[in-house]
Amino acid sequence: TQLLEQSPQFLSIQEGENLTVYCNSSSVFSSLQWYRQEPGEGPVLLVTVVTGGEVKKLKRLTFQFGDARKDSSLHITAAQPGDTGLYLCAGSAYGQNFVFGPGTRLSVLP
Amino acid sequence: EAEVAQSPRYKITEKSQAVAFWCDPISGHATLYWYRQILGQGPELLVQFQDESVVDDSQLPKDRFSAERLKGVDSTLKIQPAELGDSAMYLCASSLTLRDTEAFFGQGTRLTVV
Repeated sequence: TQLLEQSPQFLSIQEGENLTVYCNSSSVFSSLQWYRQEPGEGPVLLVTVVTGGEVKKLKRLTFQFGDARKDSSLHITAAQPGDTGLYLCAGSAYGQNFVFGPGTRLSVLP
Repeated sequence: EAEVAQSPRYKITEKSQAVAFWCDPISGHATLYWYRQILGQGPELLVQFQDESVVDDSQLPKDRFSAERLKGVDSTLKIQPAELGDSAMYLCASSLTLRDTEAFFGQGTRLTVV
């Protein structure tokens, strides 16, 4: 059974700080997605990574897929209040449905 | 911009009553998912459709939950009878194909059972 763990569970930082959140599993994933979800809304897809070691950048967000395709990280530079939300990773192992981690709840204080 | 439509946005119902949610996926998306998200947790898959066929409903509590996608386009999820523990956000998502790894979500239906 695939299982995704995310850390930290909660993170509260000041505007302008940098942060990294992690997504880990004992399973190998063919692809991994990061979503951001605001309260009362559905998750919004940020990025998909498919190649071990792959790094993708989306403005101030940097996503990395581990070499072994078992883990991923999301780094935010100079966080802003608009970055506040629940960050979810979701992974798809070969031939299986993708599963979600429990999420990291980020709060960026002005 | 194409999006997944869900209705209603909010629903309050009494326990033992029936409740139904509707989802219209992005046009042309063959795969449709229903997820349940309890506050503070990640979404959990309830059922997955490929066109009008159920691909995976292993986590759907079939004694009270049912889902259909009769014409392979829009879908309904029904709960009868609702229980207090069913209070959650119900999310619909769609993807282009069964093997597509990117899913796009609707805004969800927030269900409160009282």
